[in-house]
Amino acid sequence: AQSVTQLDSHVSVSEGTPVLLRCNYSSSYSPSLFWYVQHPNKGLQLLLKYTSAATLVKGINGFEAEFKKSETSFHLTKPSAHMSDAAEYFCVVSDRGQNFVFGPGTRLSVLP
Amino acid sequence: SQTIHQWPATLVQPVGSPLSLECTVEGTSNPNLYWYRQAAGRGLQLLFYSVGIGQISSEVPQNLSASRPQDRQFILSSKKLLLSDSGFYLCACTPVMETQYFGPGTRLLVL
Repeated sequence: AQSVTQLDSHVSVSEGTPVLLRCNYSSSYSPSLFWYVQHPNKGLQLLLKYTSAATLVKGINGFEAEFKKSETSFHLTKPSAHMSDAAEYFCVVSDRGQNFVFGPGTRLSVLP
Repeated sequence: SQTIHQWPATLVQPVGSPLSLECTVEGTSNPNLYWYRQAAGRGLQLLFYSVGIGQISSEVPQNLSASRPQDRQFILSSKKLLLSDSGFYLCACTPVMETQYFGPGTRLLVL
């Protein structure tokens, strides 16, 4: 069975400061891991994905995530937050593209 | 690349009325298709998924049903809506690249 934990339900940062959104997972298989962003009243947009290639994954809008098997983590980072980054972020784990398990989400607020 | 269409974008329906939400996919063949519901302030709940025409799996017992009459068409239905059916409904597809892509969503308000 798979599961995803997003340790923070809400993260607040100032514009221009780094962003760290935490995600831990459990999976019986070699997982695929994803981060999605959802702006209010919009669908989910894929930010980045890890599928057993390079452990440091670069995504869109300056985001990146590092897969750490020993820590079962896949934290999302960005060096400098922008106001437009304010949104809900979901970490997702998948076993071979069949079942997708979503974390509960982290709401990111960016203060001016 | 694939594109997912959902309509309507917003829907207000009275309790007890029927429902039909449509999702169509372009740019891919034989995808896995999914319906999720997102209630206010909560995460995503998988409702149905389909691996092919006429093949529907239900994840939770509920007032809703799904059908897949064509390869790239996925319909979510109800005969009688409940207040608890209100939410944001998202259609998703998984093409061969094993990544899930989402449509723009339909916001349903049941009054």
